[in-house]
Amino acid sequence: GDSVTQMEGPVTLSEEAFLTINCTYTATGYPSLFWYVQYPGEGLQLLLKATKADDKGSNKGFEATYRKETTSFHLEKGSVQVSDSAVYFCALTSNFGNEKLTFGTGTRLTIIP
Amino acid sequence: NAGVTQTPKFQVLKTGQSMTLQCAQDMNHNSMYWYRQDPGMGLRLIYYSASEGTTDKGEVPNGYNVSRLNKREFSLRLESAAPSQTSVYFCASSAGRISNQPQHFGDGTRLSIL
Repeated sequence: GDSVTQMEGPVTLSEEAFLTINCTYTATGYPSLFWYVQYPGEGLQLLLKATKADDKGSNKGFEATYRKETTSFHLEKGSVQVSDSAVYFCALTSNFGNEKLTFGTGTRLTIIP
Repeated sequence: NAGVTQTPKFQVLKTGQSMTLQCAQDMNHNSMYWYRQDPGMGLRLIYYSASEGTTDKGEVPNGYNVSRLNKREFSLRLESAAPSQTSVYFCASSAGRISNQPQHFGDGTRLSIL
């Protein structure tokens, strides 16, 4: 079945540092890929998405590129801020007629001023 | 601008008690979902509903029932609560059976079973 493997956390960085959170996936066919973010006490919000190979999703300074050859969708940001502290989830949906999301286990990110 | 609304936000139950978690969306979405979130396990799908009047099991359906009351509302029922059901429960909705449509989430219900 489909699965998503995320970099284990927690991750702690200083403000303005470069961020990478690794995500790899296993899926049949051509899944769509997503990054969701969860701020403390809140539900998940869509951060960015990519629906086909070589697509780059971007939002709020975050980027991720759909790499079919390495089955990866790593999240990056050039200069993190304290407000980026949250839990980040990589997820996919199969393209076989349903829209069920398969999530990774989440990576907790803490940014220190 | 409500999106997905879940009630209650917090609940404590005793083992064996029953309760229903409520979810409503105002985005005219066809599909709705219930997930549970446990430490180190990400979100796992309990049940989903692709359209009004239909429901299907997800990854972890045992111990739960659902009702798609109408297009807006999708409730989750615990008939006889067990400590293993202590979790944070999230409801979500999406436009429908197109794989690149994002899901929109509520703020969650924190449920403790003693």
